[in-house]
Amino acid sequence: DVKVTQSSRYLVKRTGEKVFLECVQDMDHENMFWYRQDPGLGLRLIYFSYDVKMKEKGDIPEGYSVSREKKERFSLILESASTNQTSMYLCASSPSLDRILKGYTFGSGTRLTVV
Amino acid sequence: AQKVTQAQTEISVVEKEDVTLDCVYETRDTTYYLFWYKQPPSGELVFLIRRNSFDEQNEISGRYSWNFQKSTSSFNFTITASQVVDSAVYFCALFRSSARQLTFGSGTQLTVLP
Repeated sequence: DVKVTQSSRYLVKRTGEKVFLECVQDMDHENMFWYRQDPGLGLRLIYFSYDVKMKEKGDIPEGYSVSREKKERFSLILESASTNQTSMYLCASSPSLDRILKGYTFGSGTRLTVV
Repeated sequence: AQKVTQAQTEISVVEKEDVTLDCVYETRDTTYYLFWYKQPPSGELVFLIRRNSFDEQNEISGRYSWNFQKSTSSFNFTITASQVVDSAVYFCALFRSSARQLTFGSGTQLTVLP
């Protein structure tokens, strides 16, 4: 069964800490995405990547950065965590554009609380 | 700008009732794709269906059916004879090839009571 795995289900971090959220997929997908999910706002795209070492900003990139050193791994970095970054973070992957029509595959999410 | 609107924030029904989840979208693209995803309490989004902008044929899969109407920019989802296991958050999403990314609606929390 194909998988997108997020390293932590729950995280609690302090304000100002540097936070790493890890995502690994085993489907050899080219594209990877980070979303955050907040009540009433749905899923909002933070960053995405179409290839190793490339990244593009989504709709809400402020306060975040990403790293994609290997095809299967896409990391989301909160440089200095703040309480307004308390949220559910979802990672997703998809094949190349011509095969994307099967939709994205999502991880189970990481619920991050910043105190 | 592209936008997906799910006006129903929460819906509660009793088991075996039919329920329709609404989705209205906006896009200037002529080629696009619409999706529905289900998010059960476990958190992982599960793909349910994709429709192409050039194919308005409605689809039925078991108790699920989808009504795509380009004239009203709507892609509604109906569950017939709902069951408790249908309780979840349902997201409608729009994919534009030009942007190469999915835009999600805000989701509808469906609760099916026994």
